[in-house]
Amino acid sequence: DTEVTQTPKHLVMGMTNKKSLKCEQHMGHRAMYWYKQKAKKPPELMFVYSYEKLSINESVPSRFSPECPNSSLLNLHLHALQPEDSALYLCASSRPGTGAPNQPQHFGDGTRLSIL
Amino acid sequence: AQSVTQPDIHITVSEGASLELRCNYSYGATPYLFWYVQSPGQGLQLLLKYFSGDTLVQGIKGFEAEFKRSQSSFNLRKPSVHWSDAAEYFCAVGGDAGNMLTFGGGTRLMVKP
Repeated sequence: DTEVTQTPKHLVMGMTNKKSLKCEQHMGHRAMYWYKQKAKKPPELMFVYSYEKLSINESVPSRFSPECPNSSLLNLHLHALQPEDSALYLCASSRPGTGAPNQPQHFGDGTRLSIL
Repeated sequence: AQSVTQPDIHITVSEGASLELRCNYSYGATPYLFWYVQSPGQGLQLLLKYFSGDTLVQGIKGFEAEFKRSQSSFNLRKPSVHWSDAAEYFCAVGGDAGNMLTFGGGTRLMVKP
């Protein structure tokens, strides 16, 4: 069982829809991440939150909007997505690495997103 | 910039045989190294990590990895593979700055009965 929970597991949406992906962890981690993973490829980092503040945005299009309402929750709001955005979206969490050895990231099982 | 190379895209081994998955990294300082496994339809599970100290690290599911600084390698090994080990394996390197992970391209392991 994973300690990072993502909902929904699957999502099909049209290009004009608005939806949100959710991620929750109760390990006391203060760094949370969104990754995008295409088939047969490694995960690609999208966003990093550290202490509930956005610290890294890997030049992600504005149709993806992250939100970290508290230390346990991470959302990814989706709007006007394109077919090429179909992928597995993974959430991860870790202890913040700044000033300490880089801590391992713990991943959820992801949301499989399909854009029609 | 840090980078990770996994030279083998696919590997097929017989059940019960030994396994070694290769990982080479490029990083200017002391690397933090990780191996993750991903089964179909699932997220990434941490197998083991290396931060410092003993260069042979033990992980879950009977896996181990050896850090060799002179070869910039962190190869994953298992003495006897089980059919349930069939999955995608990712090597990753992290640095001191923040929490950035750089992943290798992955190695898909297939296990023959």
